[in-house]
Amino acid sequence: DSGVTQTPKHLITATGQRVTLRCSPRSGDLSVYWYQQSLDQGLQFLIQYYNGEERAKGNILERFSAQQFPDLHSELNLSSLELGDSALYFCASSPAGGGSYEQYFGPGTRLTVT
Amino acid sequence: AQTVTQSQPEMSVQEAETVTLSCTYDTSESNYYLFWYKQPPSRQMILVIRQEAYKQQNATENRFSVNFQKAAKSFSLKISDSQLGDTAMYFCAFMKHEFSGGSNYKLTFGKGTLLTVNP
Repeated sequence: DSGVTQTPKHLITATGQRVTLRCSPRSGDLSVYWYQQSLDQGLQFLIQYYNGEERAKGNILERFSAQQFPDLHSELNLSSLELGDSALYFCASSPAGGGSYEQYFGPGTRLTVT
Repeated sequence: AQTVTQSQPEMSVQEAETVTLSCTYDTSESNYYLFWYKQPPSRQMILVIRQEAYKQQNATENRFSVNFQKAAKSFSLKISDSQLGDTAMYFCAFMKHEFSGGSNYKLTFGKGTLLTVNP
C-alpha cells in the first residue's frame, strides 16, 4: 500500500458525459501528479500540482482539468468524454516539487467510456 | 525532450533463473534519475529500483540490480532467482534531477516489457 488513495476504482460512463476522479496523496506529500495509461499511448504525464498550484502540464487535453485543494487532495475533471478517453488514470504523490523523490502511485481509476 | 525505449515487448524466464530487461534513453540533461517500475496484474505501479545518474555505482535491491551505462544511455534491469510473483509489466522511466532547474519533474515512461516467469 503506497498510502495514495484514488476513488472511484472503476467508472463506466457514456460519451459526452463528465466525470471527476479524486486523489488523496500520502500524508505530508505536497505534490500530486496525474498520469493516463492507455493501450495506444502507454503511460503519459498529464499534469502536476504542488501545494495547491499548477506546476507543470503534459499531454492534457483541453477537455480535461485538475485542481488541488487546501487539504492537498486533487481532482481530475474529464468532460465531453470520448471513447478514446477510456484508460487507467493514476495519481502519484511526492514530498516536494522537485525530482529528488520517488513518486508513489495510487491504485488507479479505470475509466470506461461507452 | 526525453525519450525512453524498451525494445523487448515480451520476455519469459524459468523460475529461479536470471533475466535482463533492456532500456535505452535519450536526453540532453546531465543530471537525472532512472527508475524501474513493476506493474503486476493488479495494475498497481510499484517502484522496483532507482538510479541517480551522477552515481557510478549500480543500484541493487535484493534480487534486482541495474547495469547503468551513462555514456551509452543504457539502463538494464537484472532479476536474479526469478519468482512467480515477478510476473508483471516492467516500465523503465526517466526523471530529471532537481539540480537541472525548471519545474517539470514528470516521469517519462517506456512502453514496457511484459515478463512472464514460468514454473
